[in-house]
Amino acid sequence: EPEVTQTPSHQVTQMGQEVILRCVPISNHLYFYWYRQILGQKVEFLVSFYNNEISEKSEIFDDQFSVERPDGSNFTLKIRSTKLEDSAMYFCASTRLAGDNEQFFGPGTRLTVL
Amino acid sequence: AQSVTQPDIHITVSEGASLELRCNYSYGATPYLFWYVQSPGQGLQLLLKYFSGDTLVQGIKGFEAEFKRSQSSFNLRKPSVHWSDAAEYFCAVGAMQAGTALIFGKGTTLSVSS
Repeated sequence: EPEVTQTPSHQVTQMGQEVILRCVPISNHLYFYWYRQILGQKVEFLVSFYNNEISEKSEIFDDQFSVERPDGSNFTLKIRSTKLEDSAMYFCASTRLAGDNEQFFGPGTRLTVL
Repeated sequence: AQSVTQPDIHITVSEGASLELRCNYSYGATPYLFWYVQSPGQGLQLLLKYFSGDTLVQGIKGFEAEFKRSQSSFNLRKPSVHWSDAAEYFCAVGAMQAGTALIFGKGTTLSVSS
């Protein structure tokens, strides 16, 4: 069964450094998402992406964040200058159809900012 | 405001006993409701979803959920819990339109005792 994959599974970085989290959505899916889950808190929406444009973004998704689909398979989340509070699990998700918002999630990347 | 409330942070159930996890939502439009499960170190796996039709929906792993519009609830049930069901369970609500955010509850951690 097709799955969303994410790399790396764990990333450790120093405060102020740039990180890029990578996701490979399910191949025939059209909509892509990033969510984050700070330890002990709820899963929070960051951004959705369709047809090479951001569809929707939350207040969390400020100028420090950007998303890109650099080729036909990858979907990336970049954090330009990481802060301690960016430490979280980041989940990628994808959806196939415009009329069905069922989102398929990847296993997550745990980001630790020191 | 749009929100999901899972009133129980942690529940312990004996193996073989029945289970009910509560979820209440507040959503301005017709809700698309989901239950996801997260095992330690794993991503979010969809258990079941509801948008319309029969208000009792069946999911994977023997789970079911009942939508009650009058109570704004979407409670998850299982008649007989197995030790492998120990995990964290998240209720989420969103719109049917792809590309839109899912709003998650804080989750309920299920422990299963022998």
